[in-house]
Amino acid sequence: NAGVMQNPRHLVRRRGQEARLRCSPMKGHSHVYWYRQLPEEGLKFMVYLQKENIIDESGMPKERFSAEFPKEGPSILRIQQVVRGDSAAYFCASSPTGGLDSEQYFGPGTRLTVT
Amino acid sequence: SQKIEQNSEALNIQEGKTATLTCNYTNYSPAYLQWYRQDPGRGPVFLLLIRENEKEKRKERLKVTFDTTLKQSLFHITASQPADSATYLCAPPVTNSNYQLIWGAGTKLIIKP
Repeated sequence: NAGVMQNPRHLVRRRGQEARLRCSPMKGHSHVYWYRQLPEEGLKFMVYLQKENIIDESGMPKERFSAEFPKEGPSILRIQQVVRGDSAAYFCASSPTGGLDSEQYFGPGTRLTVT
Repeated sequence: SQKIEQNSEALNIQEGKTATLTCNYTNYSPAYLQWYRQDPGRGPVFLLLIRENEKEKRKERLKVTFDTTLKQSLFHITASQPADSATYLCAPPVTNSNYQLIWGAGTKLIIKP
């Protein structure tokens, strides 16, 4: 019973390149959250998706960032034309229901470094 | 605006003692609050959820309290062990959102043998 998987674990990109972060939720979970974390700071909500739908993307910058959760396959967080300020740890979490009163299961994160 | 405050200084506790961590919230009244543990380089792991009508909740050596008058939640670890060393995060929901939690920066707990 695998947990939430994220890949790659570490990603280095030069300024201007694209970064693609993947998240496979736990089996049976159809709700996915993406978070960003800077050192010594709390998690910042970015986007909440259900299968094939973006439910809440209010925490995600409108430019350069996009997310999807297709019917088949992992959820993808895509950052176009990366800048140094995008360097951070990106976590995804899944839950069996969408309610905030149920626990979220987190992946190990992808650490993005922009050089 | 809604704010969550956790003690930013690391908490050093002797093994076997009780560790108490604080989560204060301002400018709103969440209906519940979650606590997570995060180890370096890893994602958070859920520990406990407490609702506003629950004064206290326990799970093994863990105990969480929720004081809506003081706008504070306390997280206790009794009989602490070095393996309890980690950063502990509190996360209540954002008001008027069904999908967003607001996360504290966490308190780093160090249990000394």
